[in-house]
Amino acid sequence: AQTVTQSQPEMSVQEAETVTLSCTYDTSESDYYLFWYKQPPSRQMILVIRQEAYKQQNATENRFSVNFQKAAKSFSLKISDSQLGDAAMYFCAYRSARSGGGADGLTFGKGTHLIIQP
Amino acid sequence: DSGVTQTPKHLITATGQRVTLRCSPRSGDLSVYWYQQSLDQGLQFLIQYYNGEERAKGNILERFSAQQFPDLHSELNLSSLELGDSALYFCASSAAPDRVYEQYFGPGTRLTVT
Repeated sequence: AQTVTQSQPEMSVQEAETVTLSCTYDTSESDYYLFWYKQPPSRQMILVIRQEAYKQQNATENRFSVNFQKAAKSFSLKISDSQLGDAAMYFCAYRSARSGGGADGLTFGKGTHLIIQP
Repeated sequence: DSGVTQTPKHLITATGQRVTLRCSPRSGDLSVYWYQQSLDQGLQFLIQYYNGEERAKGNILERFSAQQFPDLHSELNLSSLELGDSALYFCASSAAPDRVYEQYFGPGTRLTVT
């Protein structure tokens, strides 16, 4: 079974600074997808960014980018120019590329609570 | 707004009771997923339906069941409720399960069992 580990329960950053959230995962599969979801106080789960394991290029979405290290099974999220609206829980998630048998469900880490200091 | 709707937003019930949570996927999405978020277990995948048929099972208890109807809405049925079932239940939808279509989450139903 796959596992996702987020070792930072809480992170704090000054507004306009850059912060990196860590995520590691364990899998025996070679083809999979990785995601970062944001959960603000409203509890809505919002997709931030995704990465296909077969792609070497790191995904980028505006101020959000990832550092995907497949060999190290590491998938960190970098948030540049942090804004107050970025304050939230951030969840790293894994999904197998293999369909069926539970493979389509997301496996989540425990989350990192990101605090933005004004 | 993800386009996924869930009702009710909040539900308070007693132990031993049965409840039904409802989810309407985004327009055109055939696949529906149910997740449970609790303090103890974090976010867990429960079950997935695709175009009316069960597709995958996660950590779903035998007391829980789900179905997807011809209009593609889905219901999650929780029976013989226990205090530990108190959680936020999310529904998510995606276009199809065979490709890496992102899962879009609804706002969740907060269930409190007293």
